[in-house]
Amino acid sequence: DGGITQSPKYLFRKEGQNVTLSCEQNLNHDAMYWYRQDPGQGLRLIYYSQIVNDFQKGDIAEGYSVSREKKESFPLTVTSAQKNPTAFYLCASSPGTGQNIQYFGAGTRLSVL
Amino acid sequence: GQNIDQPTEMTATEGAIVQINCTYQTSGFNGLFWYQQHAGEAPTFLSYNVLDGLEEKGRFSSFLSRSKGYSYLLLKELQMKDSASYLCAVRDWETNAGKSTFGDGTTLTVKP
Repeated sequence: DGGITQSPKYLFRKEGQNVTLSCEQNLNHDAMYWYRQDPGQGLRLIYYSQIVNDFQKGDIAEGYSVSREKKESFPLTVTSAQKNPTAFYLCASSPGTGQNIQYFGAGTRLSVL
Repeated sequence: GQNIDQPTEMTATEGAIVQINCTYQTSGFNGLFWYQQHAGEAPTFLSYNVLDGLEEKGRFSSFLSRSKGYSYLLLKELQMKDSASYLCAVRDWETNAGKSTFGDGTTLTVKP
C-alpha cells in the first residue's frame, strides 16, 4: 500500500536529549513537510523540503533539524534546544505539482519525562 | 504572511446541514484546502478550491470567493462520524512546494 509512515507512534524524551522522528513515504512525492500541533490548535510548519538535498525553515524551526538525503525519507530531530517539545508531530508529503495536495502520516506524540 | 480565521467550535444535529466559515488574508493566493481531523489522528484531505465558486463532493461542498478572502465548507446530512476538527489551509505564491498556512480548526460536534 502507498502511504506515509511515521515512527514511533509515541516517544519520550529526557531533558538534554536529542530525539529523532522518522517519516518515510512511498508515494514518489517530491515535497515533504513537518508540522507541530499543540492541543486545540492548528498545524504549524517546522521545516519543508521541495526536493532531495534541499530544505527550508518553516515558521517554528528553532530547536529542530532535518535532513533530506533520500526522496523517501525526511527525519526530524528535536534537539535539546527545543525547550517545550511536548506536542503531536505530523509529517506530510505532496507531489510538488498540480493541486499539490498534502497527505499526512499518522503522527508521533512526543512527551518529556 | 497569512492570517486565517475560523470559528473555534460548532454544534449541529444529526441529519442537519452545517456551514463552517474560513476567512483569510494573503499577499498571493494560490489555493485553499479543507481537511478533516478526528481527535488524535492525522488530517485527511476533503476539498481544494483555487477558482471562485462551489466544489461539490458527495455530502461535502466547499465554496471560495477570492475577492472577499472567504471560503466555507458545507456538510449535509450530518452523521455522528462527522464529529471532528475541520482545518482550513491557504497556500500562497511564495513557493511552489505547496507550503500552506493552517487555521486553528473548527471543532464540530454532531449530536443525536
